Amino acid sequence: GQQVMQIPQYQHVQEGEDFTTYCNSSTTLSNIQWYKQRPGGHPVFLIQLVKSGEVKKQKRLTFQFGEAKKNSSLHITATQTTDVGTYFCAGPSTAGGTSYGKLTFGQGTILTVHP
Amino acid sequence: EAGVVQSPRYKIIEKKQPVAFWCNPISGHNTLYWYLQNLGQGPELLIRYENEEAVDDSQLPKDRFSAERLKGVDSTLKIQPAELGDSAVYLCASSRGTSGGQETQYFGPGTRLLVL
Repeated sequence: GQQVMQIPQYQHVQEGEDFTTYCNSSTTLSNIQWYKQRPGGHPVFLIQLVKSGEVKKQKRLTFQFGEAKKNSSLHITATQTTDVGTYFCAGPSTAGGTSYGKLTFGQGTILTVHP
Repeated sequence: EAGVVQSPRYKIIEKKQPVAFWCNPISGHNTLYWYLQNLGQGPELLIRYENEEAVDDSQLPKDRFSAERLKGVDSTLKIQPAELGDSAVYLCASSRGTSGGQETQYFGPGTRLLVL
């Protein structure tokens, strides 16, 4: 079945350093979504990318969708302690080339920021 | 608008006991999802409802788990009997339409279940 994999699993940075997490799907995706989950919290939607090669920015966060629509990345510039949490990518589940109505989540990248 | 509401927030039970979780989605959202999240993992879908209809329950362990969404609004998820391995966070989410994987999903705070 479809797999969505994220690396790294953990990332520890000093405040002010940059951070990047990568997401790879075993199948082509119609779109990819990113969610953030604070410690003890629930996933909160960040952004959706739809087009091949698309790049979107939210303040210090830059999201990119690969040309083949099988990978994506999230880059945070100059991390702050408020960036702490787990970042998940998620893509529509597919089988036989058909996109089904549910999301498959990656296992997430846990970001810790040392002040 | 109000977010997805779940209750209880925490539940501790002994194994073999039943437990039920309740979810009230965002008003007007047609699709409701129940997810299981183990520590250090991403959410895994248990069941998805489009209005009253369960359209994807392939990951729901039907021998002990059941769910319902009467009138296409609130939903309950039940486990009977609970096992030690059921300890996890149970997340409810909703989305506006019925396009499933194409839509933004809004998550509730979750119910943290501990089975002793």
